[in-house]
Amino acid sequence: RKEVEQDPGPFNVPEGATVAFNCTYSNSASQSFFWYRQDCRKEPKLLMSVYSSGNEDGRFTAQLNKASQYVSLLIRDSQPSDSATYLCAVSLNSGYSTLTFGKGTMLLVSP
Amino acid sequence: ETGVTQTPRHLVMGMTNKKSLKCEQHLGHNAMYWYKQSAKKPLELMFVYSLEERVENNSVPSRFSPECPNSSHLFLHLHTLQPEDSALYLCASSQVGLTSEQFFGPGTRLTVL
Repeated sequence: RKEVEQDPGPFNVPEGATVAFNCTYSNSASQSFFWYRQDCRKEPKLLMSVYSSGNEDGRFTAQLNKASQYVSLLIRDSQPSDSATYLCAVSLNSGYSTLTFGKGTMLLVSP
Repeated sequence: ETGVTQTPRHLVMGMTNKKSLKCEQHLGHNAMYWYKQSAKKPLELMFVYSLEERVENNSVPSRFSPECPNSSHLFLHLHTLQPEDSALYLCASSQVGLTSEQFFGPGTRLTVL
């Protein structure tokens, strides 16, 4: 079983749509969870950390379900500029962080 | 300069060449990382330096040799690479003991002929 799994997509949605991505992880000892955004041929950029209580940043909402070992990202009112690959990353939090990444989910938002 | 910088941004090398990738972080962090990103594969962690000591080496072939002279600089020395080593090499940094958030540099796109 892969350590961090994501649906690769692509998710093709019209502008204004709400889209949700899930990410499942295999190591139940995982402590920290993140969503990164990666544009084509660029580096990953931290989108948001995911806390156990869930967190929201503008149009983006992240949720964590430790019992079922999944992390989700919801994007409301999606914009063409949201088109990118969204990477889920999980860490065991061993002082320094050893992130394990999923392959990413590609999102394409059409105007 | 702010954030994490990497040089060169693009590198083409033959299998017998020796080259080095450089990473510098301006965030005051004390942990640095090398990742490899190949097409259709997830980001793969190669090396971790925490407080200037190498703490992880994820079964990386010896033709890749990291060096961390201080907490702001990280190098990846390359020699006798193979064509399958062609990839995007990303450097990242974080602060030990606080959150696990890592911040990435723009990467070096390496092509091995």
